[in-house]
Amino acid sequence: DGGITQSPKYLFRKEGQNVTLSCEQNLNHDAMYWYRQDPGQGLRLIYYSQIVNDFQKGDIAEGYSVSREKKESFPLTVTSAQKNPTAFYLCASREGGRNEQFFGPGTRLTVL
Amino acid sequence: SQQGEEDPQALSIQEGENATMNCSYKTSINNLQWYRQNSGRGLVHLILIRSNEREKHSGRLRVTLDTSKKSSSLLITASRAADTASYFCATDSNFGNEKLTFGTGTRLTIIP
Repeated sequence: DGGITQSPKYLFRKEGQNVTLSCEQNLNHDAMYWYRQDPGQGLRLIYYSQIVNDFQKGDIAEGYSVSREKKESFPLTVTSAQKNPTAFYLCASREGGRNEQFFGPGTRLTVL
Repeated sequence: SQQGEEDPQALSIQEGENATMNCSYKTSINNLQWYRQNSGRGLVHLILIRSNEREKHSGRLRVTLDTSKKSSSLLITASRAADTASYFCATDSNFGNEKLTFGTGTRLTIIP
């Protein structure tokens, strides 16, 4: 089946620890995105990548880092510099030349 | 930054009734999209309307776009319990489709 997967579904982290969220797609899409969603809110863009080995900051990149070493993978690291990391994180991908984004199921991160 | 603002924030209707949600945005766009999110899940693309279109239909969905007022509406006809979800509008910019800006969403509840 083609799709976009995120793991894990739930993640717990102690304050001061870095944690990496996985995002994989087998849709052969060029562009990939990370969003953060807080309760009752819309999505805010953290980072995006339009091509392998290149990525750009979104609106709320501080405290986060990404890499794009392979077309199918776009992991997000939440660093200890992110002051309020508890949120629902969504990964998405988009085929070049098209507009709609395809979303993964999300990872809910809780800082204890 | 949140470009799109939906209203109402929440809407409850009886099954079989029609549901209308509105979205306003601030800058010029190439197209506007609507997405649905079931609780705790990823977003699913519903429909896209281009800036040179005024109305578009897809099944029970009807979308309108008024670029002079920078607003769009999503109408769901003959609502079903399975339509219970949050609905978000998303806009690109007239510089390209590499990024979307999402609204704050309307939470729709269909009462059986």
